Amino acid sequence: QVQLQESGPRLVTPSETLSLTCAVSSGSSSSYYWGWIRQPPGKGLEWLAYMYYTGTTDYNPSLKSRASISLDTSKNQFSLRLTSVTAADTAIYYCARPSGMGPAFDIWGQGTMVTVSS
Amino acid sequence: EIVMTQSPATLSVSPGERATLSCRASQSVSNKLIWYLQKPGQAPRLLIYDAFARAAGIPARFSGSGSGTEFTLTISSLQSEDFAVYYCQQYNDWPWTFGQGTKVEI
Repeated sequence: QVQLQESGPRLVTPSETLSLTCAVSSGSSSSYYWGWIRQPPGKGLEWLAYMYYTGTTDYNPSLKSRASISLDTSKNQFSLRLTSVTAADTAIYYCARPSGMGPAFDIWGQGTMVTVSS
Repeated sequence: EIVMTQSPATLSVSPGERATLSCRASQSVSNKLIWYLQKPGQAPRLLIYDAFARAAGIPARFSGSGSGTEFTLTISSLQSEDFAVYYCQQYNDWPWTFGQGTKVEI
């Protein structure tokens, strides 16, 4: 059973860059899709970005070009970078991937809480 | 961006009762509609994809229906483990967007 585990700093200073890693364990890093989703405390879910197996990526326009994602198959890792963070970026960040070919994401990490504060 | 609107915001039901949750899209999403369940402190869990297909391991009491702009999740007989927040999400157009959630409470 594939498992995902997010890691990264829990506290980030405003205007700095947030970097998160999603480690794949107990399985292959081969997947049709890889995605990042976030959830501000007590609020709903927001898609940030995804990568298709071809390398194609899409980013939520709300992030205004601050985000970049990458996949390192040699390390079985999927990463997110978010620049120029503000308090509005405070959230639980999840990585996820589907078991099948379509974008129905059924495998999620447990999430990592990131707070943006000075 | 496609706006997903869920109703009601909160649904109070008793164990064993039927629950019906609604999700409306601001424009057609065909059948590209997912339902997730989320419990406090946990990641979302995939229930339904392609509007009506149950994900692996999901009990038959969960069923999805609809197409275009109107969708429904029905839980035929609520079990204690079903009390949670339910989100719909469209994946017809990027950015994929979620509804605001429906809390199913006892």
